Amino acid sequence: ILNVEQSPQSLHVQEGDSTNFTCSFPSSNFYALHWYRWETAKSPEALFVMTLNGDEKKKGRISATLNTKEGYSYLYIKGSQPEDSATYLCASSNTGNQFYFGTGTSLTVIP
Amino acid sequence: DAGVTQSPTHLIKTRGQHVTLRCSPISGHKSVSWYQQVLGQGPQFIFQYYEKEERGRGNFPDRFSARQFPNYSSELNVNALLLGDSALYLCASSLEGEGIDTQYFGPGTRLTVL
Repeated sequence: ILNVEQSPQSLHVQEGDSTNFTCSFPSSNFYALHWYRWETAKSPEALFVMTLNGDEKKKGRISATLNTKEGYSYLYIKGSQPEDSATYLCASSNTGNQFYFGTGTSLTVIP
Repeated sequence: DAGVTQSPTHLIKTRGQHVTLRCSPISGHKSVSWYQQVLGQGPQFIFQYYEKEERGRGNFPDRFSARQFPNYSSELNVNALLLGDSALYLCASSLEGEGIDTQYFGPGTRLTVL
């Protein structure tokens, strides 16, 4: 079992603000880190998978970085829009592709 | 292409009963995983199946069991339901269920135990 933590638990930002949140995971035996976006009443949607220390991934206004030595990943959203409101989950996975999720960060973007 | 589908969407049971949840993976995906999400927590890993064989099991009691069929669909069974089993049960599929395969999630089955 991999202990994954996310912070903050929830976040309210104004439309247009940029924001970021953190995912912490055990750095020993690290294999891969996944980010998902989960909108209410929908399925979790895969955003990124990262494996290498220093990895940076980008998808539109959303980007993520990975530090495997210290065991953390940041997710950044630039110029938040109301449609970005969702819960953002991270998961650390092992070689067997078993996922261990954090509790998520709930983002609300206020128009 | 259809995504991962789960049935039923919602379910209400009473303590002590048994429940079966169903999952159909994305076409071509051979691995299915099950997760339980209770309020305030992230999804917790229950089972992983690949080619009808159990490949991994999370820290859940023996009341929880699962199987995968030749068409790669899967069932999750829970016996002797407890109030604490009330949760959203998510199914996810992936191509091979190994390495850095992305898991694709269904919308979940909301189970309420009264």
